[in-house]
Amino acid sequence: SAVISQKPSRDICQRGTSLTIQCQVDSQVTMMFWYRQQPGQSLTLIATANQGSEATYESGFVIDKFPISRPNLTFSTLTVSNMSPEDSSIYLCSASSGGARETQYFGPGTRLLVL
Amino acid sequence: GESVGLHLPTLSVQEGDNSIINCAYSNSASDYFIWYKQESGKGPQFIIDIRSNMDKRQGQRVTVLLNKTVKHLSLQIAATQPGDSAVYFCAETPLGGKLIFGQGTELSVKP
Repeated sequence: SAVISQKPSRDICQRGTSLTIQCQVDSQVTMMFWYRQQPGQSLTLIATANQGSEATYESGFVIDKFPISRPNLTFSTLTVSNMSPEDSSIYLCSASSGGARETQYFGPGTRLLVL
Repeated sequence: GESVGLHLPTLSVQEGDNSIINCAYSNSASDYFIWYKQESGKGPQFIIDIRSNMDKRQGQRVTVLLNKTVKHLSLQIAATQPGDSAVYFCAETPLGGKLIFGQGTELSVKP
C-alpha cells in the first residue's frame, strides 16, 4: 500500500486568506483524490487530481475555490481560496495505484480552522 | 441521489465480544466495496474490501459480508479489542469509479 503524507497537518487561518495543502505519495500512483470531512461527518469527494491536466470536480466544488495541481505521479496540492469559517474542516488526500476501482489509501489529513 | 447509509450510528460492545457494523447501499451498479477505520485525529485506514462477485471475505479478525440482493454490507470484528474503538465507514464504487462513503458508525469498546 502507498504511504501518503500531508503538509501542514493543521493550521489556523484568517478569513479571506488562502491555504495550500500538499500531498506526497511514496510511490507513483495512477489516481489521486481530495476529500473534505466536516466535523463528525463522512468524507465528501472534492475532486480527482489528474496528472498533467485540470482536475475533475464534483458537484458543489469549483476550481476557483479549490484549485488543484498534480505536476507528477507522486504529488498534488489543494488550495482552499478566500477562506471563510465554513471551510473549517479536515482535508484528506487519497491515492490508488490501479484504476478508479482499486483501493484508495488515505493521508493523515489536514485540520483547518478558519477564524 | 445515490447514497450509502449505515443502520446504526453508534455501537457499544464489551471487550472480547464480536461486533457487527452494517451498511446499506443504494447503487446496484456498485461492484467494489471497502471498509475503512478512522481513529480520532487520523485519516481513514483500509481494513478490508470485497468485490461484487463475492459474498464473503475474511481478514485477520474481520469478515465482510455482501448481500447484493438486498444491497447490504456488513463488517464483523471478532473478539473486539479496545484498539478497535474508532469510526467505521463503508464505501462503494459505482460505475464511473468514484468512491462514495457512508455516514459512519462509531464503535466504542468497553473494557
